Order: sequence, then C-alpha cells, then structure tokens
Amino acid sequence: QKEVEQNSGPLSVPEGAIASLNCTYSDRGSQSFFWYRQYSGKSPELIMFIYSNGDKEDGRFTAQLNKASQYVSLLIRDSQPSDSATYLCAVRTYSTLTFGKGTMLLVSP
Amino acid sequence: DAGVIQSPRHEVTEMGQEVTLRCKPISGHDYLFWYRQTMMRGLELLIYFNNNVPIDDSGMPEDRFSAKMPNASFSTLKIQPSEPRDSAVYFCASTPHQGGEQYFGPGTRLTVT
Repeated sequence: QKEVEQNSGPLSVPEGAIASLNCTYSDRGSQSFFWYRQYSGKSPELIMFIYSNGDKEDGRFTAQLNKASQYVSLLIRDSQPSDSATYLCAVRTYSTLTFGKGTMLLVSP
Repeated sequence: DAGVIQSPRHEVTEMGQEVTLRCKPISGHDYLFWYRQTMMRGLELLIYFNNNVPIDDSGMPEDRFSAKMPNASFSTLKIQPSEPRDSAVYFCASTPHQGGEQYFGPGTRLTVT
C-alpha cells in the first residue's frame, strides 16, 4: 500500500514569510515527486516536480527531495495571500500518482 | 487547446439512479486518469487508460463503477446504482506520456441524496 503523508494544517504564515510544506512517502521505488496547488472548488494544478535528491528552484518555489529519508518539501518564499490554497504532494510510481491529502496554507496580509 | 473537459460540472441525483460522467482529454494525450476526491480520503485514483485501453482499475471501489474509453477523445465513468457514499468530486486528468505532468479537468461535483 503506497502512502503519502502530509500535515493537514492549516499552516498560517504572514505575508512575506517563508512557508514550508512537508511530505513523506512509503514506497522506496517512487520515481518522481510533484507538488500541486488546489484552490477551493478548483482542480489541482502543477507547481513543481523533482526527480533527484537535492533542491530545485523555480521563482519563489523550492522543492527539496531526500530519498534516503523518503521526504519531500516545498518552500514558498515571500508568501502572498494569493498563495492561500491546499498543497498536494504526489508521488509517481511508473504511470500513476499517489496523492497526499494535502496541507492547507493560509497567508494573512 | 481547451484543456481537459468534463461534464456535467454538477450532478445531483437520487440513490439508486444511474450516473454517467464524461471526459474529453487534451488532444494527443495518451493517458487518461479518473480520480475521486473527498475530504476523508483525499484524491484517489480510480482507473487509468493508455491509448484507450484500461490498464489499472484496482482503485474502482466496487462493481457499481465502470469506465470506458471508446476513442482517444472521450471517456465515461458510470455509477449504477448510485449511493450517497458516492458523493464526491470526480476529476479526469490526462498526460501525453508516462510520468508526465497530469492536467486536470474542472471536475464533476456529484451529490447523491
């Protein structure tokens, strides 16, 4: 049984702060890792993906992967109220994704 | 491209009725996925197709659920008979290749009373 665990939150941060979202997974055979953002009542949309150990940066977003610890994280710098959403961690094994239940992020002005 | 298209966007039905959800993937995408999202269970994969062929339906909850993909541009998810516990948001997603980014449709919010 593949499991992806996330703290449900909410994670509350003030505008301009760094938000840190974490995810652990159970399947060591997992091949790549995705972060999706989902606004209330909307569909998930991809923010970033990462394949290799280490950090990957894209604008205000940094994904971090540690395969030995089976741990993935997403850092959001200079958080904005528009970043308030649920962030879903997804882990790929071959063709399919297993999603965590998501962490709700609230960024206050 | 218009993205993944799903219909209807909202469906309210009574227990015991048949429900059919529809999905049009992005043109050229060889993989199509059906998901169900609830507060309790999160986003769960129900079934996926590759080149119109069902590959893995292990996530389909029971025989009341069935899915078809008669051609590359159309798929259906059918629930017969529907039950209140089927109430959820059903998403369809597609991707052009194995392991690629999955593009989600807007979802169908199903309410079974």
